[in-house]
Amino acid sequence: EAQVTQNPRYLITVTGKKLTVTCSQNMNHEYMSWYRQDPGLGLRQIYYSMNVEVTDKGDVPEGYKVSRKEKRNFPLILESPSPNQTSLYFCASSLSFPGRLRETQYFGPGTRLLVL
Amino acid sequence: ILNVEQSPQSLHVQEGDSTNFTCSFPSSNFYALHWYRWETAKSPEALFVMTLNGDEKKKGRISATLNTKEGYSYLYIKGSQPEDSATYLCAFIDGWGKLQFGAGTQVVVTP
Repeated sequence: EAQVTQNPRYLITVTGKKLTVTCSQNMNHEYMSWYRQDPGLGLRQIYYSMNVEVTDKGDVPEGYKVSRKEKRNFPLILESPSPNQTSLYFCASSLSFPGRLRETQYFGPGTRLLVL
Repeated sequence: ILNVEQSPQSLHVQEGDSTNFTCSFPSSNFYALHWYRWETAKSPEALFVMTLNGDEKKKGRISATLNTKEGYSYLYIKGSQPEDSATYLCAFIDGWGKLQFGAGTQVVVTP
């Protein structure tokens, strides 16, 4: 089954404790992206990746890191989480850059993070 | 940051009624516009990809139009059903690869 998976789905942590949220897709997609969703603000792009070893900042990259060493995986790293990073996080992928070849994004199930 | 706005923020519709709402975006450097449907506790799912001025797309009772010259897209729901209750998101992509979502329109269909 074609899908985007994220782990963990729920996470409670404390300020300053490094964490990684994994994202994996099995569709051989080139483009992958991370978003955070906060009430009233919609989805805001954190980082995106056009392909392996190619990553770029989105609108709200501060406090986050990403890597793309393999095509299928795109982990989101919070080196020193803070309470303002409490949010719902979505990973998404598409065959190519969204809109090109009329491709849309496929979203993972979301990770709800609480930073105390 | 791109200026992508959706209105209204929320709307309540009686079952059987039709409704529409708007996504506004910059009229310059347009590349593509996406519409997504997002049900509570689920992931956003793609509805339409729109790339050409004047595009009209249809999926069942839901349709969308695109005006890139004036920077807006309408989403229409004909004969609303309770299962249409969701938040509808638009995402604007510009020619530089910048992607931004609107805040969404929450639709509640009451029987």
